[in-house]
Amino acid sequence: EVQLVESGGGLVQPGRSMKLSCAASGFTFSNYGMAWVRQAPTKGLEWVATISYDGSSTYYRDSVKGRFTISRDNAKSTLYLQMNSLRSEDTATYYCTRDNYRGFDYWGQGVMVTVSS
Amino acid sequence: DIVMTQGALPNPVPSGESASITCQSSKSLLHSNGKTYLNWYLQRPGQSPQLLIYWMSTRASGVSDRFSGSGSGTDFTLKISSVEAEDVGVYYCQQFLEYRTFGGGTKLELK
Repeated sequence: EVQLVESGGGLVQPGRSMKLSCAASGFTFSNYGMAWVRQAPTKGLEWVATISYDGSSTYYRDSVKGRFTISRDNAKSTLYLQMNSLRSEDTATYYCTRDNYRGFDYWGQGVMVTVSS
Repeated sequence: DIVMTQGALPNPVPSGESASITCQSSKSLLHSNGKTYLNWYLQRPGQSPQLLIYWMSTRASGVSDRFSGSGSGTDFTLKISSVEAEDVGVYYCQQFLEYRTFGGGTKLELK
């Protein structure tokens, strides 16, 4: 059974950093691209970043470029999202998802990030 | 950037009736390989989203055949036949051609 389990969320002050992790199991992690998707409270889904299966390519939405870094450790089957210079508008539930060429076919349960002083 | 625009539903939808959700992209999602990179997702209340349809009209594994996707390069429709209680939630279209972009979501409520 495919499982994606996010961790690392919480309350953080504006301008500070936070790192999210996503532990994957139930599939060969190193064969798949992965992505982060976020959802602000009462809002819709917003793609944040994607990383290729081997980590050689990364893609970001404009509003997080230069502040967020997506990475992966295939030996640990773990996906990461390093978030720097956090803003109030980054407050959201962050989902880890498998970025299959057919779509985002598996999702984690999400982890909440609140940026507030 | 490709912008995705979704239409609204005339909620609530009577149980057993069909419902159609529209989605429009600002650019054709038809790839040179013949596939149209448009996906549909459902997010039930309190749950993570799930993939329903990929490549505009292919149902994801385990998805009921009451869900069907259709469209052209820029205009798309998700049809739900005989709406049931488990179909309640927010539906999102997503383009997969250039990066990934979601539509704003369409809420389905049951009567």
